[in-house]
Amino acid sequence: ETGVTQSPTHLIKTRGQQVTLRCSSQSGHNTVSWYQQALGQGPQFIFQYYREEENGRGNFPPRFSGLQFPNYSSELNVNALELDDSALYLCASSPGQKPNYGYTFGSGTRLTVV
Amino acid sequence: DQQVKQNSPSLSVQEGRISILNCDYTNSMFDYFLWYKKYPAEGPTFLISISSIKDKNEDGRFTVFLNKSAKHLSLHIVPSQPGDSAVYFCAASELGGYSTLTFGKGTMLLVSP
Repeated sequence: ETGVTQSPTHLIKTRGQQVTLRCSSQSGHNTVSWYQQALGQGPQFIFQYYREEENGRGNFPPRFSGLQFPNYSSELNVNALELDDSALYLCASSPGQKPNYGYTFGSGTRLTVV
Repeated sequence: DQQVKQNSPSLSVQEGRISILNCDYTNSMFDYFLWYKKYPAEGPTFLISISSIKDKNEDGRFTVFLNKSAKHLSLHIVPSQPGDSAVYFCAASELGGYSTLTFGKGTMLLVSP
């Protein structure tokens, strides 16, 4: 049973550019949640996808968007990158929507915006 | 407005002793609480959880206590081991609402031999 895989592990982008981060969910998991962890902060909820539909969204602007595919893998897209978007982006998959189903986190993608 | 607070950025404990990590919350709608451990360059790993209908949950060396009236929970690790050195995050959720976790800023635990 493979865990949650995120790619790339690190990347550097220039302000104003667009970025796509990818997440392969654990086998049997139909729900993917994305979190942003800025330096010195706890992870902050961006949005969740359940069976290819957005199922909840945190306090992030529309330039943060996502997709979930039929195999339950997911993408996080960020347009018009800003310096404050520099953070660790974490993906978590689970067999159901609620946290009591058990979230499995990936190791994250470290995004640096210069 | 921080709804989950971990007021101690760091904690140092000797091997074999008890580690106590604290967490406070402000949102009375939270009814499910979790602790995660995070090593550098890894994602958070689930440790233990507790529902608001309980005041204690135990799993091996880890025990979580919940005081609903004080809106406070704590994680006890007994005995502490050097491998426990990591950042510990407290998280809370409202199971009847949005399917999201609200995290604290974390406490870095250092267990010295």
